[in-house]
Amino acid sequence: DAGVIQSPRHEVTEMGQEVTLRCKPISGHNSLFWYRQTMMRGLELLIYFNNNVPIDDSGMPEDRFSAKMPNASFSTLKIQPSEPRDSAVYFCASSPGPRYGYTFGSGTRLTVV
Amino acid sequence: SQQGEEDPQALSIQEGENATMNCSYKTSINNLQWYRQNSGRGLVHLILIRSNEREKHSGRLRVTLDTSKKSSSLLITASRAADTASYFCATFIEAGNNRKLIWGLGTSLAVNP
Repeated sequence: DAGVIQSPRHEVTEMGQEVTLRCKPISGHNSLFWYRQTMMRGLELLIYFNNNVPIDDSGMPEDRFSAKMPNASFSTLKIQPSEPRDSAVYFCASSPGPRYGYTFGSGTRLTVV
Repeated sequence: SQQGEEDPQALSIQEGENATMNCSYKTSINNLQWYRQNSGRGLVHLILIRSNEREKHSGRLRVTLDTSKKSSSLLITASRAADTASYFCATFIEAGNNRKLIWGLGTSLAVNP
């Protein structure tokens, strides 16, 4: 298995632009998680899906952030409009279920200028 | 406040020495997990220990869990330069429909050749 695949690896965009981050979880994993990591705040859970259904989105910072999981093999995290404070590394992770260990993707480093 | 807090925040040792990192938490847990993150990479799952377990081994890694003290330790024996990374503990809590993996801020380990 290729693991959790995220794209793009790096994204530089101007403030106000829309940003879409993509994730392909490991086949057979029922849970998918989006995290944001910064030096100041560490690792923050944004949203998690179980069987493609959003279960907890309380970590989504504000309405500018949205996430979808149209099927078991694909998820997107969208920021519209983007702001400089959104600059961070965004990780997607998947697991067989919420009680199991997670497999993380390599992350997307987002820079909003 | 953080559910999981690692101690120390940073650790520097010589190759061949053992490294011990500790994690304390506040509420009852279902399991506790340790992850490693190399610079610029995603997190890698190392070991999961359940609340009814006291010790687990994986290669040079040894994890202990003391639920009465709400603490865990990760021991890396005979450290190598390649062990240089940040190490995170994460506690899985489950209360009714609320299930969350809560992360500490990590211990930065430097193994000097």
